[in-house]
Amino acid sequence: DQQVKQNSPSLSVQEGRISILNCDYTNSMFDYFLWYKKYPAEGPTFLISISSIKDKNEDGRFTVFLNKSAKHLSLHIVPSQPGDSAVYFCAASRLYGGATNKLIFGTGTLLAVQP
Amino acid sequence: ETGVTQSPTHLIKTRGQQVTLRCSSQSGHNTVSWYQQALGQGPQFIFQYYREEENGRGNFPPRFSGLQFPNYSSELNVNALELDDSALYLCASSTDDTEAFFGQGTRLTVV
Repeated sequence: DQQVKQNSPSLSVQEGRISILNCDYTNSMFDYFLWYKKYPAEGPTFLISISSIKDKNEDGRFTVFLNKSAKHLSLHIVPSQPGDSAVYFCAASRLYGGATNKLIFGTGTLLAVQP
Repeated sequence: ETGVTQSPTHLIKTRGQQVTLRCSSQSGHNTVSWYQQALGQGPQFIFQYYREEENGRGNFPPRFSGLQFPNYSSELNVNALELDDSALYLCASSTDDTEAFFGQGTRLTVV
């Protein structure tokens, strides 16, 4: 039972354009969502997060949008840069005792930003 | 401030053997979580340790066990290795106020 789904295995975008990565979840008990970026031979690196009390969180070129009624979140990267090419994982958790509890990950989306 | 480090980086074991993977958490982090990432999949939660006590477990059999030490470093032990245990094993450390920081992982191959 895949509770967090990333239905696009890959995405190709031109440098300077917007990248939009999507994520759906099924468990309405999730109340904290994160995006991680992973380069080959490295561990995942935290990118940005959002709690369920918000619908948008922004950090520089990265913005995460949360639509609780649709159980959908998206990561927008603008402008996209070649260094953004990596696998992006969406993760969800239940916030009790802190933001570090059990993370449920999606299967990832490979983003390729073409120069 | 050092990050999360895992050892070894690569390992090859034979089916039926036992393996121990190690993780040094980031300075000041009291929580360690272990994840298994199979090829083409996202990381799957194995278990979490908080101040040396197990604090949650995913859907993994008992032959997956762990420890956390007083300095908050951790070990993941897997007994009776199976071919399907071949994966990237990720350790993540955190506190109540931070997101999880991951190590680079240990690539385990079972032959």
